[in-house]
Amino acid sequence: SQQGEEDPQALSIQEGENATMNCSYKTSINNLQWYRQNSGRGLVHLILIRSNEREKHSGRLRVTLDTSKKSSSLLITASRAADTASYFCATAGAGSYQLTFGKGTKLSVIP
Amino acid sequence: EAGVVQSPRYKIIEKKQPVAFWCNPISGHNTLYWYLQNLGQGPELLIRYENEEAVDDSQLPKDRFSAERLKGVDSTLKIQPAELGDSAVYLCASSLGGLGTLNTGELFFGEGSRLTVL
Repeated sequence: SQQGEEDPQALSIQEGENATMNCSYKTSINNLQWYRQNSGRGLVHLILIRSNEREKHSGRLRVTLDTSKKSSSLLITASRAADTASYFCATAGAGSYQLTFGKGTKLSVIP
Repeated sequence: EAGVVQSPRYKIIEKKQPVAFWCNPISGHNTLYWYLQNLGQGPELLIRYENEEAVDDSQLPKDRFSAERLKGVDSTLKIQPAELGDSAVYLCASSLGGLGTLNTGELFFGEGSRLTVL
């Protein structure tokens, strides 16, 4: 079963623009993580935000978490063609470090 | 530092044949996961090991799937017999594990083993 649900399913933008992806989940969490997957490759961890945090930055990435709405967003600023990939949110349930992944957002950045 | 290593990367078999996948996690990572990823979907957990012990195998179809992690390091995932619906990518991941302060919950994934059942 998949708890997280990303929105949109697919996103196409021009290089240099910002990309925003959203994730909604259903149950209480310990933390929420974002992963990236290039075509035909494994997943790579991008950023983790804990349930008591509201915003976190890492380079061109900005993640927000709203536990009252059970939602998170990932913002990639000044996108590059190399950012083209699928992005997944994953939630770790309260008291557990087992991750449940969403279906992902497929991002295409056009040069 | 070497990452999670999986083999084979690709495997094509006919239905009813057996198949096995191998995973070598990052050194020192106590927790090992096998995930199944269907096309266009996110990974779904099949089994999780803490050292040698399978602590969560509730999603593993035990009639045809089996896994082992002898000595708490390498792991193998076996399917026997394979069915057409088993065509997917099988991902192995590892993490430090446990609920200690060093564990962020971050998973490190291998490149995956893509299975095609004809």
